[in-house]
Amino acid sequence: ETGVTQSPTHLIKTRGQQVTLRCSSQSGHNTVSWYQQALGQGPQFIFQYYREEENGRGNFPPRFSGLQFPNYSSELNVNALELDDSALYLCASSLAGGPIDTQYFGPGTRLTVL
Amino acid sequence: RKEVEQDPGPFNVPEGATVAFNCTYSNSASQSFFWYRQDCRKEPKLLMSVYSSGNEDGRFTAQLNRASQYISLLIRDSKLSDSATYLCVVNPLSGGYNKLIFGAGTRLAVHP
Repeated sequence: ETGVTQSPTHLIKTRGQQVTLRCSSQSGHNTVSWYQQALGQGPQFIFQYYREEENGRGNFPPRFSGLQFPNYSSELNVNALELDDSALYLCASSLAGGPIDTQYFGPGTRLTVL
Repeated sequence: RKEVEQDPGPFNVPEGATVAFNCTYSNSASQSFFWYRQDCRKEPKLLMSVYSSGNEDGRFTAQLNRASQYISLLIRDSKLSDSATYLCVVNPLSGGYNKLIFGAGTRLAVHP
């Protein structure tokens, strides 16, 4: 296993609600990236955190926001949920400055928006 | 045009068959390339990195052609356990940070 953990495993919300997803990175990793994977699609990059700052963002609206904590764990927050937000949310940890740029994924949180 | 394109399949092959997946990418400045494997309702797992010189890991061989912006994965002697979705992944290493750009995946089903 990768050592990356995510919680919760599954979540059901209704439109307009807010949700917080959590990720603990692999020991020794200082960078966390978040991805959204809709059914039948590949994961799409949401954003990346390094040293508690967002250092890169994909094509997602501002209602997707995040945090990284001093222990490198991270949260993904989504406000004003929409039906299309239903997806598998994956976090991946990596070591900035390490050999290559391999990202290791957690098991994901499956979000259903009704 | 999608940044990473793959044939979605599915590829249905018998055990022992050789199967090849192809992938093209649009950003010629991309620096790192990978194949990930994803089982149904699970997270993607790194299968192998892809280098210009080509690389092999047991029954798996990956090739990169930078001039054609083309990546391939060859699986020899297919096993039932190889059934999964194979994701072609590119890291453009732009903007000073690493992000992975995934293809939509190619589904492989190996049957007895």
